[in-house]
Amino acid sequence: QVQLVESGGGVVQPGKSLRLSCAASGFTFSSYAMHWVRQAPGKGLEWVAFISFDGRNKFYTDSVKGRFTISRDSSKNTLYLEVNSLRAEDTAVYYCAKVRTTVTPFDAFDIWGQGTMVTVSS
Amino acid sequence: DIQMTQSPSSLSASVGDRVTITCRASQGISNYLAWYQQKPGKVPKLLIYAASTLQSGVPSRFSGSGSGTDFTLTISSLQPEDVATYYCQKYSSAPYTFGQGTKLEIK
Repeated sequence: QVQLVESGGGVVQPGKSLRLSCAASGFTFSSYAMHWVRQAPGKGLEWVAFISFDGRNKFYTDSVKGRFTISRDSSKNTLYLEVNSLRAEDTAVYYCAKVRTTVTPFDAFDIWGQGTMVTVSS
Repeated sequence: DIQMTQSPSSLSASVGDRVTITCRASQGISNYLAWYQQKPGKVPKLLIYAASTLQSGVPSRFSGSGSGTDFTLTISSLQPEDVATYYCQKYSSAPYTFGQGTKLEIK
C-alpha cells in the first residue's frame, strides 16, 4: 500500500543540525511532488517546504529559508529535509506528504507519514 | 502572502447536527482549497480537494463548497467519530498555507 515513513528526528541543541528522511513505497515516487509540514506541540499545521517531482523546483516558508533544505533521491525513493541552525521554535512533529496527482504540483496532500519529532532544547 | 482564516476556532455540537466551518482566503484562490481532518493523536487526513470534491473513502456526510475567497466545510449529520480538528489549506501557489484549525467537539 502507499506509505510514507519518516525518520531522523530527535533532541538537538539550538544551533545544531539534523537530517530528516521520508521513505516512500507503494507508488512511483519519482512522479510526484512532495512536501514537508510541521506541527508544534498543541498547535496547528504549518507548511514547511515543497519539491517538484524532478527536484528542480523548491519552495520554503519564510521562517526556514536559508536554514532548511529539501531534497529527494528517486533511486532510493526517499525525501529529505536538512534542518540547520535549529531554534526552539522549530520544535515540532515533521510530516512528509505526497501530492494527490502527477498532473500538477498544485494539488492537495493525499498521503501523510506518521511524523518524526524534532525537539530543540539545551 | 495569502492568509487563510477559519471560523469558528472551536465549536460544540450534538450528534445528528448539521455543522458548518468556514474558511476565508485574503485573496482569490479559485478552487485550490483542501480540507483535512486530524483526530487527536493522529495524522491529518484529506477530506476534500478542489473545494468540493470528496476524497475517495470519505463519508458522504462531508461536503465542501465555495470558490474565490469564501469556502465552507459541512457535516450534514454529526457523528461521534467526527470529533477532530479541521484545517483548510490553499494550494494555488507557495506558500501552501493552512488555516488555524477548527476544533470540533460533541456536546
